[in-house]
Amino acid sequence: SQQGEEDPQALSIQEGENATMNCSYKTSINNLQWYRQNSGRGLVHLILIRSNEREKHSGRLRVTLDTSKKSSSLLITASRAADTASYFCATDARNSGNTPLVFGKGTRLSVIA
Amino acid sequence: DGGITQSPKYLFRKEGQNVTLSCEQNLNHDAMYWYRQDPGQGLRLIYYSQIVNDFQKGDIAEGYSVSREKKESFPLTVTSAQKNPTAFYLCASSMSVLAGGNEQFFGPGTRLTVL
Repeated sequence: SQQGEEDPQALSIQEGENATMNCSYKTSINNLQWYRQNSGRGLVHLILIRSNEREKHSGRLRVTLDTSKKSSSLLITASRAADTASYFCATDARNSGNTPLVFGKGTRLSVIA
Repeated sequence: DGGITQSPKYLFRKEGQNVTLSCEQNLNHDAMYWYRQDPGQGLRLIYYSQIVNDFQKGDIAEGYSVSREKKESFPLTVTSAQKNPTAFYLCASSMSVLAGGNEQFFGPGTRLTVL
């Protein structure tokens, strides 16, 4: 039951450039989260944005949420080689009871030094 | 150190064997989860547990079993009924499944290979 879909599937940029990843989802949500996964490792939580929020910042990360379009974007500014990883959005569907997060398939980001 | 641990890191299984993957957390979280990740893919939910002695099937529970006898532990057994078990398995925990308490903390994963 795929709720979030990230776009693009893969992204390659030069160090110092900004990286933008998008997530679209199907049903109304309570909140949307972004996670990062280094190759062969577990996921790490980056940021959570609630359905009544439009934008949130954390360091070099900026997340936006447009509930009318059912979409979110993750912007990483001034990217570094260490940002190379896969990035996943995860949503919890509103009015779905005690159901867990649903993860998208992820965007693979490569930052070239 | 607070966190969530999985063991072993790598596991090899012969066809027809059951294997059990360990997951332990000392974060005092009520909810725990098991996911399967195939190469280049996202996470698919196998089972989750909201509280001790209770668990629910996720999207791909067939061929897997779990138990939740202790709050800290949520082992996953991959049975011989699972036809394609080679994958990366991730365990996670959160304060609760309910909205607002569901930021998930992940273990480092177990890579299972069937020989």
